Amino acid sequence: DAGVTQSPTHLIKTRGQQVTLRCSPKSGHDTVSWYQQALGQGPQFIFQYYEEEERQRGNFPDRFSGHQFPNYSSELNVNALLLGDSALYLCASSRRQTQETQYFGPGTRLLVL
Amino acid sequence: AQSVTQLDSHVSVSEGTPVLLRCNYSSSYSPSLFWYVQHPNKGLQLLLKYTSAATLVKGINGFEAEFKKSETSFHLTKPSAHMSDAAEYFCVVSEAGSARQLTFGSGTQLTVLP
Repeated sequence: DAGVTQSPTHLIKTRGQQVTLRCSPKSGHDTVSWYQQALGQGPQFIFQYYEEEERQRGNFPDRFSGHQFPNYSSELNVNALLLGDSALYLCASSRRQTQETQYFGPGTRLLVL
Repeated sequence: AQSVTQLDSHVSVSEGTPVLLRCNYSSSYSPSLFWYVQHPNKGLQLLLKYTSAATLVKGINGFEAEFKKSETSFHLTKPSAHMSDAAEYFCVVSEAGSARQLTFGSGTQLTVLP
């Protein structure tokens, strides 16, 4: 059983560009959450998707947007990249109704130059 | 609002000695509390979780934590450190259950000396 998978593993962009990160949840999970982990800090919650809708959102600007597909996979989009967006982006999946623990993927490391 | 404070950014112990990583939380509701571990270049792994059952929670690899509501603490302990325990540890709180928004502490880097 594959766990949470994310792609790509690494990405380099320049300021002002746009980026799309992808996440496939653990089998049987229907909820996907995205977190940003800056170097030397704990992960910060960006938003959560369930039934293809954004259900919760953290303190991130509208440049951060997402999508969930019918197969429960998800994308995180960041527009107008800033140097400060350089971070490890983590995806976590869970099963909403059972309150099961969130399982994390290995992350995508984004570097903005 | 929920928040977590990890009282030590770095902890260093000798192999075979006890480990104590301290965490205080703030929550308006009955929280769920977790400890996650992050090894270099690897994803986050759940060590243990508290969700209003027994206050002493046992996790993987010999770790355990005790929920103390009066002290708003959830400290992580292990009787005997192993070299493989060296990693970053995060205390995490969620007000609405395991599947909802997680709020992470800033992390404690554990070093295990031979």
